Amino acid sequence: EPEVTQTPSHQVTQMGQEVILRCVPISNHLYFYWYRQILGQKVEFLVSFYNNEISEKSEIFDDQFSVERPDGSNFTLKIRSTKLEDSAMYFCASSLEGFEATEAFFGQGTRLTVV
Amino acid sequence: AQSVTQPDIHITVSEGASLELRCNYSYGATPYLFWYVQSPGQGLQLLLKYFSGDTLVQGIKGFEAEFKRSQSSFNLRKPSVHWSDAAEYFCAVVPFDGGYNKLIFGAGTRLAVHP
Repeated sequence: EPEVTQTPSHQVTQMGQEVILRCVPISNHLYFYWYRQILGQKVEFLVSFYNNEISEKSEIFDDQFSVERPDGSNFTLKIRSTKLEDSAMYFCASSLEGFEATEAFFGQGTRLTVV
Repeated sequence: AQSVTQPDIHITVSEGASLELRCNYSYGATPYLFWYVQSPGQGLQLLLKYFSGDTLVQGIKGFEAEFKRSQSSFNLRKPSVHWSDAAEYFCAVVPFDGGYNKLIFGAGTRLAVHP
């Protein structure tokens, strides 16, 4: 069964460093998403990406964050100058169409710890 | 304010007992409604969804949910819980505030199952 894969499963970084979280969406999917879940809190939408551009983003997704689909198979989330409050589980998801039409499949997440 | 509310943070049931997890939403128009499950160390898996039509929807793993417009609710039910159902359950909506490309999650309900 096709699945969304995320690497690494756990990343520790020092405050102020840049991190790149990687995701390989399901191969024929067209919509890509990043969500995060701070420990003990709800899953929060960060950004959706379609046709090589951001289609929607939340207020959390400020200039510190960027997304990219560099090679047609990977979908990355870059966090510049990480802060302690960026520590969270980050989930990537993909879908063939928008949520109104098809199921979104989520990866297992990358736990980011900023120290 | 627009929101998704899951009033129960933790629920414990005995194996074989029935289960109902509550979800209420506060949006002007009925949004698309979803239930996801997150098992320990796993990503989010879609249990079921409601867009329109029959207000009782069937999902995977023996779960069902009923949409009640008058109560702005979308409660998840299972007639007989199995130990493997222990997980965290998230209600989510796609709100109609400009796009179909984001899911808004509730805070989650953690289900424990006693043998």
